[in-house]
Order: sequence, then C-alpha cells, then structure tokens
Amino acid sequence: EVQLVESGGGLVKPGESLRLSCAASGFIFSNCGMSWVRQAPGKGLEWVSSISRDNYIYYADSMKGRLTISRDNAKNSLYLQMDSLRADDTAVYYCARTSGGKPLDYWGQGTLVTVSS
Amino acid sequence: DIQMTQSPSSLSASVGDRVTITCRASQYIGTSLSWLQHKPGKAPKLLIYGASILQSGVPGRFSGSGSGTDFTLTISSLQPEDFTTYYCQQSYNPSWTFGQGTKVELE
Repeated sequence: EVQLVESGGGLVKPGESLRLSCAASGFIFSNCGMSWVRQAPGKGLEWVSSISRDNYIYYADSMKGRLTISRDNAKNSLYLQMDSLRADDTAVYYCARTSGGKPLDYWGQGTLVTVSS
Repeated sequence: DIQMTQSPSSLSASVGDRVTITCRASQYIGTSLSWLQHKPGKAPKLLIYGASILQSGVPGRFSGSGSGTDFTLTISSLQPEDFTTYYCQQSYNPSWTFGQGTKVELE
C-alpha cells in the first residue's frame, strides 16, 4: 500500500525557517517524481515544487528563492526547506507522488505550517 | 504560467443529478489535465488523468473529456459522498497549476 506521511510542520515566526519531510513507503520511491502542494486556509490547492526521479527541480514563482526541495532515495524521503517564511505561507503542505504518467496520484494527509508572530 | 479557470465556482445539486464542471486553460495543454477530488481534512484524490483516463478504483460515474484548452468533468449520477470540492490541474509544463476549485453542494 502506498503511504506518504508528512512531518515537520508547526508554528514559526515571520522570517524563520522550517524543514518539512515526507516519508514514503509501499512503492519504489526512486522511480517516482514527487511534489509539494499547499492549501492556505479557505483557499484552493496551490502547487509549490516538484522533483523528478532524475532530480530535475521546479518551483512555483510565489516561493522561488525561499525553497529547496530535495530527496533521499536511500531513506525513501522527500524534503522541503522553507526559508524567510511569511504569514501568507500559512497552509497545509501535502506531498504527492507522480508515477507512470499519472501526476499527483497519491497524497499524504498533510502537515500544517503556521507563520505568525 | 498557465492559468486554469474552472466554472462554476460552486453549484447546488441533488443526489442522482448529472453534474458537469468545466476547466479552461489559458493556453494549449493537449491532454495534460487531471481532475482531483478534495474532501475537508482529507488527502486529495486523483479521479481522472490524461483528460479522460479514469484512475484505478474511481467509480465509473466520473468521466472526463476535452483536449487543447477546454475540458469537462462529468458526474453522471451524484452520490452523497460526491458533495465536496473538485479541482482541475495541468501538467503540460513543469510549473503546474490548479483551477480555483468547484464546490458541489447539496441543494
């Protein structure tokens, strides 16, 4: 069974950093692209970043320059380093898998990031 | 970035109704279009990818069509568990984008 479990969310102050993790199981992690998607309170889904199985990396313009996505295939884990956080970065952050031409076919339950002073 | 515009933003319907949601891309995206269902507090769920391919395990009452810039999601007979929010999403270029969502509510 495919499982994606996010962790690392929490309450931080504006300007601080946070590192999110996503632990994957139930599939061959190294064969899949992975992404982060967020949902701010009362808003829709917003794509944040993706990393292909070949380590091609893409970021949304809204967070470019403040994000670093990475993966550790030996640990079946995906990461998102977020710097210079702002109040409008407050959201539930989901990790999701892309496999076999199917974008975002499995999602985790999400981790809440709250940026507030 | 490619902008995705869904309509309507919300709709009211009854169990058994046929419902259609549309999604328009700001430029050509071929069939690189997915539909997702998102219930509050839950992980989003992929329903349709490649514009019309039903994801494994998704009920056959869901169908997708379209190509180029105009796409539709149809639910042939609404069930109680279908009252929630639906999103389209393009994967034509690496900077993915979602539509703003369509909330399907009980009339």
